[in-house]
Amino acid sequence: DADVTQTPRNRITKTGKRIMLECSQTKGHDRMYWYRQDPGLGLQLIYYSFDVKDINKGEISDGYSVSRQAQAKFSLSLESAIPNQTALYFCATSDPQGPQHFGDGTRLSIL
Amino acid sequence: GNSVTQMEGPVTLSEEAFLTINCTYTATGYPSLFWYVQYPGEGLQLLLKATKADDKGSNKGFEATYRKETTSFHLEKGSVQVSDSAVYFCALSDNTNAGKSTFGDGTTLTVKP
Repeated sequence: DADVTQTPRNRITKTGKRIMLECSQTKGHDRMYWYRQDPGLGLQLIYYSFDVKDINKGEISDGYSVSRQAQAKFSLSLESAIPNQTALYFCATSDPQGPQHFGDGTRLSIL
Repeated sequence: GNSVTQMEGPVTLSEEAFLTINCTYTATGYPSLFWYVQYPGEGLQLLLKATKADDKGSNKGFEATYRKETTSFHLEKGSVQVSDSAVYFCALSDNTNAGKSTFGDGTTLTVKP
């Protein structure tokens, strides 16, 4: 089983819909992250959480929200999806100072 | 703030050629440095890391040395294979925001037979 699991892997939806992307991890890490990757570009940090009671905005948090339901679960929501949120979304976890462990991503298309 | 600058791509090489992908960084204190690789349709995975000055990280024939004097962490491989075709990301993790990383924009490598 994968250490970091993202669901769904692919999603196509319409403008204005609410969408939730889910992430679960078996690494036992406290720190979890959501990133967005656009074609040909690097990673942009959306939100991060250093423990269950800690949520922080990243570089591009507008239009997104998150929920840390447990140490192992961190979900990302788009309250009212818009076409320019079409991208590849990654969840990651880490130890302090350690490398990040990524899921395989969710490919999201908003029509 | 922290930043990571990678050599712009894409990079195209023939099999068995020598590879260098440059990476320089700006950070306070003593960050840990990483190279990640992303194969098509997958997430990023750690390739190698170095946690202090002069450390050399290595894995699968790839190497990178933490050079504090030049704030660099260049990735090298002596003989690339077609299977090395992927996107490579340089990243750092600093002490002030432990675990929160800064990534470069990625360099796409294509190796032709």
